[in-house]
Amino acid sequence: AQSVTQPDIHITVSEGASLELRCNYSYGATPYLFWYVQSPGQGLQLLLKYFSGDTLVQGIKGFEAEFKRSQSSFNLRKPSVHWSDAAEYFCAVGAPEYGNKLVFGAGTILRVKS
Amino acid sequence: DVKVTQSSRYLVKRTGEKVFLECVQDMDHENMFWYRQDPGLGLRLIYFSYDVKMKEKGDIPEGYSVSREKKERFSLILESASTNQTSMYLCASSPGGPNSINYGYTFGSGTRLTVV
Repeated sequence: AQSVTQPDIHITVSEGASLELRCNYSYGATPYLFWYVQSPGQGLQLLLKYFSGDTLVQGIKGFEAEFKRSQSSFNLRKPSVHWSDAAEYFCAVGAPEYGNKLVFGAGTILRVKS
Repeated sequence: DVKVTQSSRYLVKRTGEKVFLECVQDMDHENMFWYRQDPGLGLRLIYFSYDVKMKEKGDIPEGYSVSREKKERFSLILESASTNQTSMYLCASSPGGPNSINYGYTFGSGTRLTVV
């Protein structure tokens, strides 16, 4: 079965600093990987996704993520964080052989201090 | 703009009540999903549906049922609400077909249910 681990429950960064949110997955073959963001009181918005090709993917709002098969990781990065990036971030994994279901991590809450 | 609409943002219900959470999508998506979101647990799949009148259990179906009479609407039913069902409920949809998972999901804004 697929699983996703987000090791950091909370992360606090200063505005303008770089950001990396960690995501590790458990799956045998090449998974379909996603990062979603949830602003307070809102649903989830897709930031970026990976399922093949270049292992560094670009998303919306200046985010990027790198797929590393050897480490079973798909970490989310941003070079300079803005106060509006404060939100909860979810990593998710899926695969066609498991149907169209996504498995989500527990989430990482990002706080941005000015 | 494509949309998944959940009819209520906030609901307060009493223990033992039958509760209906409604979700409508306007994207002609085959797949629809209900998740519940709890702090520290992320999103857990309750039920999903690949087609009209079709449903499958997710990871935590106990105490819930669903209905999909029309393609655009997917309802979550709490047969007898209990306090441990107090949570945020999120509906999502996605296109159907093989490998459609690469599209990801479109989510609604969520319904925060409190059972007292």
